[in-house]
Amino acid sequence: EPEVTQTPSHQVTQMGQEVILRCVPISNHLYFYWYRQILGQKVEFLVSFYNNEISEKSEIFDDQFSVERPDGSNFTLKIRSTKLEDSAMYFCASSDITAGASTDTQYFGPGTRLTVL
Amino acid sequence: QKEVEQNSGPLSVPEGAIASLNCTYSDRGSQSFFWYRQYSGKSPELIMSIYSNGDKEDGRFTAQLNKASQYVSLLIRDSQPSDSATYLCAVIWTGGFKTIFGAGTRLFVKA
Repeated sequence: EPEVTQTPSHQVTQMGQEVILRCVPISNHLYFYWYRQILGQKVEFLVSFYNNEISEKSEIFDDQFSVERPDGSNFTLKIRSTKLEDSAMYFCASSDITAGASTDTQYFGPGTRLTVL
Repeated sequence: QKEVEQNSGPLSVPEGAIASLNCTYSDRGSQSFFWYRQYSGKSPELIMSIYSNGDKEDGRFTAQLNKASQYVSLLIRDSQPSDSATYLCAVIWTGGFKTIFGAGTRLFVKA
C-alpha cells in the first residue's frame, strides 16, 4: 500500500540553525500538508500546498517557515532559524482530493521529531 | 476563532463494551468532520469521515453528526484492547484547507 514517508525520523539541532524536513507524498497525490504536534499537545495545522503554491497557512507559519516542492516527488518544510519552541513532531500529509471534499482522506507520514537545543 | 473541543479523558471501558467519544465545534460554517486514531508516538490515522447530519457506520465504528447542536461523536462497538489510543476529532471549515484538531480523548480498553 502506498504511504507517505518522512526523513529524518529524528533531527537534533542547535537554536538558530536552519533545518529542512523532507517528505515524499503518495505519488498521485496533489495536495500536501504540514502539521506539528508539540509533546502532549494537539496536532496543529501549519500549511497546505497545491499546484506549487501555498493554499492556506496558519498563524504559526510565519516568515521563519517555508515550503517547497523541489521536484516531482519531494515536499520540504524549512525552518530558517530554529527556536526552542519549535521542538515538536512534524507530520507531512497528502491527499488526492481537495480538503473537505466528500472523499478527502489525508494520509499522514510517520513524522520527524525535531529537537532544538 | 474556530475551535474543536473534546473531553481529554481518559475514558476507560471494559473489553466488549461500547466506547462513546464526543466532540463539539465552535462555528456553524463547518463542512467536514473526521475522527483519527493516534497511538502513542505515532501519526494520526483516519478512522471515519462524515459530512452530513445523521449516522455513518463502518464496521465497529459509527460516527454521528448533528450540525444544529455543533456536535459530532464516535461510537466504538465491541471495544478491544487494541482500540486503546487517543482519538482526535478534526474539522475543516467550508472554503478552507485548514484542518483543526481537538486535543483528543484517551481511551483505555481493559481486557
